[in-house]
Amino acid sequence: QKEVEQNSGPLSVPEGAIASLNCTYSDRGSQSFFWYRQYSGKSPELIMFIYSNGDKEDGRFTAQLNKASQYVSLLIRDSQPSDSATYLCAVVNAGGTSYGKLTFGQGTILTVHP
Amino acid sequence: GAGVSQSPSNKVTEKGKDVELRCDPISGHTALYWYRQSLGQGLEFLIYFQGNSAPDKSGLPSDRFSAERTGGSVSTLTIQRTQQEDSAVYLCASSSILGGSYEQYFGPGTRLTVT
Repeated sequence: QKEVEQNSGPLSVPEGAIASLNCTYSDRGSQSFFWYRQYSGKSPELIMFIYSNGDKEDGRFTAQLNKASQYVSLLIRDSQPSDSATYLCAVVNAGGTSYGKLTFGQGTILTVHP
Repeated sequence: GAGVSQSPSNKVTEKGKDVELRCDPISGHTALYWYRQSLGQGLEFLIYFQGNSAPDKSGLPSDRFSAERTGGSVSTLTIQRTQQEDSAVYLCASSSILGGSYEQYFGPGTRLTVT
């Protein structure tokens, strides 16, 4: 089992719809979770982080965390073509020799079509 | 403030040559990462430095790859005897774990082409 798994894509949604991106993780002790966006040919950029169970909203983005189910998601409301990118989920190692290290999922490609 | 910087931005080298890639992390960040990303692929973790701890080298693909971090700041990734399969974008990132903050910030990357 991979440490961080994301739902297989690519995901295609129409403009104005809600895009839902999902991620599961194996380290039950993880406390910090991140979503990055990567445009083609660019570096990943941080768009959301969440530490507590529940929802966290920032503009059109909502991150949802359920530690009991080891599940984190990202919702993008009113999707725009400019949201088309690869979305990467990242989880912080809870302990051990690589404490604080981020582990990334393989990413989900999102396409928002007009 | 200044972000993570990497140099060179592009590097073309002949198969068998050695290359050095440089990363300047955000000032004060104690953690530094190197990743590799081949065209259309995900991030491949290479190595992780955290403060004075021994680096996590578990992602280095072969002994041709090595990295060091001098003075807890600048890092150099060295690839010896380059092969065509080493062609990729090499990304550096840094973060601070002080106060429980782990957000990682990426540099622009170095595109390596081995001919």
